[in-house]
Amino acid sequence: AQSVSQHNHHVILSEAASLELGCNYSYGGTVNLFWYVQYPGQHLQLLLKYFSGDPLVKGIKGFEAEFIKSKFSFNLRKPSVQWSDTAEYFCAVNEMDSSYKLIFGSGTRLLVRP
Amino acid sequence: GAVVSQHPSWVICKSGTSVKIECRSLDFQATTMFWYRQFPKQSLMLMATSNEGSKATYEQGVEKDKFLINHASLTLSTLTVTSAHPEDSSFYICSARGLAGVHTGELFFGEGSRLTVL
Repeated sequence: AQSVSQHNHHVILSEAASLELGCNYSYGGTVNLFWYVQYPGQHLQLLLKYFSGDPLVKGIKGFEAEFIKSKFSFNLRKPSVQWSDTAEYFCAVNEMDSSYKLIFGSGTRLLVRP
Repeated sequence: GAVVSQHPSWVICKSGTSVKIECRSLDFQATTMFWYRQFPKQSLMLMATSNEGSKATYEQGVEKDKFLINHASLTLSTLTVTSAHPEDSSFYICSARGLAGVHTGELFFGEGSRLTVL
């Protein structure tokens, strides 16, 4: 069965620090990849997505992610975090089969200290 | 972007009663809706896939008689938690995919519904 792994469960950074959150998936076929963010008390919002083409994807709020097919990875990055980036981040993958079910990683809780 | 709305946002019920949660796509037709469950400090676990006009497909370990899903129209899916018990207390989130997302899988999420069973 397909699985999504996020290795960092909790990350604490100071403002202006650089961020990289890891995401690996297990499916060997063609996939679509997503990063979602959940701010405290709010619903999930899409940060960015990869379907095809340039493996370096830019999203909202200065986030970007790089798809490395050989490593089955889709790591999220931001050069300089802000206090307002404090949230939980979920990597998600779906297989391009008939179901297109979206499978989520366990999430990474980011705390940015001012 | 597309808007998905859930109702109610909060519900508290007594053990043994049934609770219905609605999920509506407000500005697009949702051919497929997905229901997730999120436990505190955990990720979203897919419960079932709901296709308009057909029976829902449940994930392994999810009781279909416990969690009744109906997707009667292209803008509405409902999740009914039957004979709810305290262990059913959770945050239930629906998501919807429109025609534009058929080949990409992009989903839009509702705000979630927090169920507390006393």
